[in-house]
Amino acid sequence: GQSLEQPSEVTAVEGAIVQINCTYQTSGFYGLSWYQQHDGGAPTFLSYNALDGLEETGRFSSFLSRSDSYGYLLLQELQMKDSASYFCAVVYNFNKFYFGSGTKLNVKP
Amino acid sequence: NAGVTQTPKFQVLKTGQSMTLQCAQDMNHNSMYWYRQDPGMGLRLIYYSASEGTTDKGEVPNGYNVSRLNKREFSLRLESAAPSQTSVYFCASSSPGTSGKQTYEQYFGPGTRLTVT
Repeated sequence: GQSLEQPSEVTAVEGAIVQINCTYQTSGFYGLSWYQQHDGGAPTFLSYNALDGLEETGRFSSFLSRSDSYGYLLLQELQMKDSASYFCAVVYNFNKFYFGSGTKLNVKP
Repeated sequence: NAGVTQTPKFQVLKTGQSMTLQCAQDMNHNSMYWYRQDPGMGLRLIYYSASEGTTDKGEVPNGYNVSRLNKREFSLRLESAAPSQTSVYFCASSSPGTSGKQTYEQYFGPGTRLTVT
C-alpha cells in the first residue's frame, strides 16, 4: 500500500520562510508532487520531483530524497495569499496518484 | 480552452437515489481521474482511466462505477447513494509533461458538492 505523512497545520508570519515536510512509503514510486488548495477551491499543481535534489519555481522550491523517502516544500517571502492547504502526492505505477491529508498553512500579518 | 469542467456543481440526493457526475477535458490528455475529498482531508482516488477504453479502481471504488465515454469525457455514477458518500468530488486529467520533462501535472475541475440525506 501507500502511506504519506505531513504535518496537519503550520503557522508563519508574512515575509518569513516555511518548510512543509512529507515522508512516504510507496511501491512503484515515480515521483513526488505538491499541490495548493484554497478553501472552497480546486487543487492546483505546484511542483514535481522525480530525482533527488531541489526544484525551484519562483518563491516555491521542492526537494526530494529518494533514499530517505522524504521531501519538502519550501515557501519563501510568505504572503497572505499563501494561506491555503498544501498536499504532497506520490506518483506511482506510472500514472496513479496518492495524496497526503494536507498541511494547512496559516500566514499571519 | 476551458480545461476540466464538471457538472453539476451542487447536488442533494436522498439515500438510495442514483446519479451521474459528468466530467470533460479539452486538453487532449490520456489520463483522467475521479477523487473524493471529505472535510479536512486529502483527496482519495476512486477510479482512474489511463486511456480511452480503460478504467481501473483506486483506493475507494465501492459504491461507484465509471465510464470513459471517449478521450474527453469520464463520468462517475452512484447507483444507490448513501450518506457516507457525502463529499466533494473532483475530476482531474493528467499529462506526463511537455518538452521532454515529465511533470505528471494534474488539472482539476471545480468540483461537485454532493450531499446525501
